[in-house]
Amino acid sequence: GDQVEQSPSALSLHEGTGSALRCNFTTTMRAVQWFRKNSRGSLINLFYLASGTKENGRLKSAFDSKERYSTLHIRDAQLEDSGTYFCAAGTGGYKVVFGSGTRLLVSP
Amino acid sequence: DPKIIQKPKYLVAVTGSEKILICEQYLGHNAMYWYRQSAKKPLEFMFSYSYQKLMDNQTASSRFQPQSSKKNHLDLQITALKPDDSATYFCASSLHDRGSQNTLYFGAGTRLSVL
Repeated sequence: GDQVEQSPSALSLHEGTGSALRCNFTTTMRAVQWFRKNSRGSLINLFYLASGTKENGRLKSAFDSKERYSTLHIRDAQLEDSGTYFCAAGTGGYKVVFGSGTRLLVSP
Repeated sequence: DPKIIQKPKYLVAVTGSEKILICEQYLGHNAMYWYRQSAKKPLEFMFSYSYQKLMDNQTASSRFQPQSSKKNHLDLQITALKPDDSATYFCASSLHDRGSQNTLYFGAGTRLSVL
């Protein structure tokens, strides 16, 4: 079936630094979404992309359907960025498949 | 105000019993979904509904039955509960349309524990 491979599974950053999360897809996806699960367990929408890149504050996401990947870049990480980040993608139907998540810990 | 309401937030059930998880969305969306997240596993797609019609069913067991009494409601009935059914169940919705961004919006989840 459709697979979404997310990496890394865990990431530790110091405040002010940055890194990138990546999702690879085993099939051609039509769109990708990125979420953050906060401390209360709620899934917060970060981005929806059908192509190209989007930026929102210190977060930037890119999606390349042909190359079958998406990335989420975090710069100038803050303590409140800690949480679990998920990508999710679909082929255009109703089913959207999630990656296994990246647990991010930002420390002082 | 939360726009997708799931009730209850926590639920404890005994093996063999039946429970209904409630989901209502006030986003005006036409598509609704159920996902499940078991411990240390990614969110797992279960069902999708559009205009109260089943679109996708990825759940092998017939013990899981969605119920849609209104366009903005999609409840999940689970019968003959087993300990393996313990998980957090997330309801989601989207404005699933050819021309729109089909962004998924999630409720806060119902954490089910089966003893």
